[in-house]
Amino acid sequence: QKEVEQDPGPLSVPEGAIVSLNCTYSNSAFQYFMWYRQYSRKGPELLMYTYSSGNKEDGRFTAQVDKSSKYISLFIRDSQPSDSATYLCAMSAMSGNTGKLIFGQGTTLQVKP
Amino acid sequence: DGGITQSPKYLFRKEGQNVTLSCEQNLNHDAMYWYRQDPGQGLRLIYYSQIVNDFQKGDIAEGYSVSREKKESFPLTVTSAQKNPTAFYLCATKGRVWGTGELFFGEGSRLTVL
Repeated sequence: QKEVEQDPGPLSVPEGAIVSLNCTYSNSAFQYFMWYRQYSRKGPELLMYTYSSGNKEDGRFTAQVDKSSKYISLFIRDSQPSDSATYLCAMSAMSGNTGKLIFGQGTTLQVKP
Repeated sequence: DGGITQSPKYLFRKEGQNVTLSCEQNLNHDAMYWYRQDPGQGLRLIYYSQIVNDFQKGDIAEGYSVSREKKESFPLTVTSAQKNPTAFYLCATKGRVWGTGELFFGEGSRLTVL
């Protein structure tokens, strides 16, 4: 069993839809949770960061962490064609340069105009 | 502009040949990483280096080698021992302070073995 599981999709939605992307994990030591966005043929870029449990909102994006269920989510409201990309969840147990990030498989999202 | 430069962007290799991927950064970051990305498998860590002249194996180091002679540079060699080298390779850096935990990625190098 992988430490981090993410549905690879692809996920196709119409413009304006609410999108829910999810990851589950098995390591209860994970405390730092991130979502990266990767456009085609580009490197990933950090989209959201959350420490421990709770919600974090940034514009149309909301990240949720439920440590009791070992489940994290990224919600995209009013999705736009420019949101079409691969979304990778990532998590780590430790801070600092020794904290190794474990990535999910990535979910490919297409938002149709 | 500050950033991470990977080269070449696309590379073709014949079986049995070694190839070196370049990664240069001017962010003054201490830690540098090499990841491999395959469809449906996310990012897998090959090697990482926290300081000059020191590096550690990641989860899939077999068939790869690295060096860290300068803070700015962390080249990756894909050797002929790597059984399935065709993939998208990403170099990343992280600053000294954890902060947001952000890894900064280069644009990637796509290697195809013919």
